[in-house]
Amino acid sequence: NAGVTQTPKFQVLKTGQSMTLQCAQDMNHEYMSWYRQDPGMGLRLIHYSVGAGITDQGEVPNGYNVSRSTTEDFPLRLLSAAPSQTSVYFCASRALNYNEQFFGPGTRLTVL
Amino acid sequence: GQQVMQIPQYQHVQEGEDFTTYCNSSTTLSNIQWYKQRPGGHPVFLIQLVKSGEVKKQKRLTFQFGEAKKNSSLHITATQTTDVGTYFCAGGTSGSRLTFGEGTQLTVNP
Repeated sequence: NAGVTQTPKFQVLKTGQSMTLQCAQDMNHEYMSWYRQDPGMGLRLIHYSVGAGITDQGEVPNGYNVSRSTTEDFPLRLLSAAPSQTSVYFCASRALNYNEQFFGPGTRLTVL
Repeated sequence: GQQVMQIPQYQHVQEGEDFTTYCNSSTTLSNIQWYKQRPGGHPVFLIQLVKSGEVKKQKRLTFQFGEAKKNSSLHITATQTTDVGTYFCAGGTSGSRLTFGEGTQLTVNP
């Protein structure tokens, strides 16, 4: 099993550009989520999904969109990048009946 | 909304000394999880506590969940250089969401 994979590992964007961060898992987990990590602020939940076709907002959803068309994939879209979205983004997954979350390696995003 | 606070933010110890990080929630939790993140890495699940007053041990690590289910601690006995990293607590409520604390960054001097 590859676990949770994320692409790209690094990305530099200009203000106003859009892009999609990819996340995939091969563990058949129902629950997937996106977090952003900023220095001194821990991990903050952006969006999450409890299954294909179901998504919901987390603590900091503004400026981000998600969709869940399959169990395996949960892409995060930045609609119009802003410098405040410079961060490290982690995708995570878990089975609904078990709380251990598995994190991907992260995407380090810089918005100029 | 729910807040989870973690102290201290940083801790520097000499190898062999003990280390403790504390986690406090503004609301009663259904469970609390602990994660470790090595420098440049991703968070890795350590343990979950669900019962009031629960204590669990993993080798040199001891995890406690408070009686009121609003606080928790992680204690490492005789730290080693391999313990370096940031330790996060994450509190869960009745839903499926977790709220993470800010983390405690541990450095160990050999």
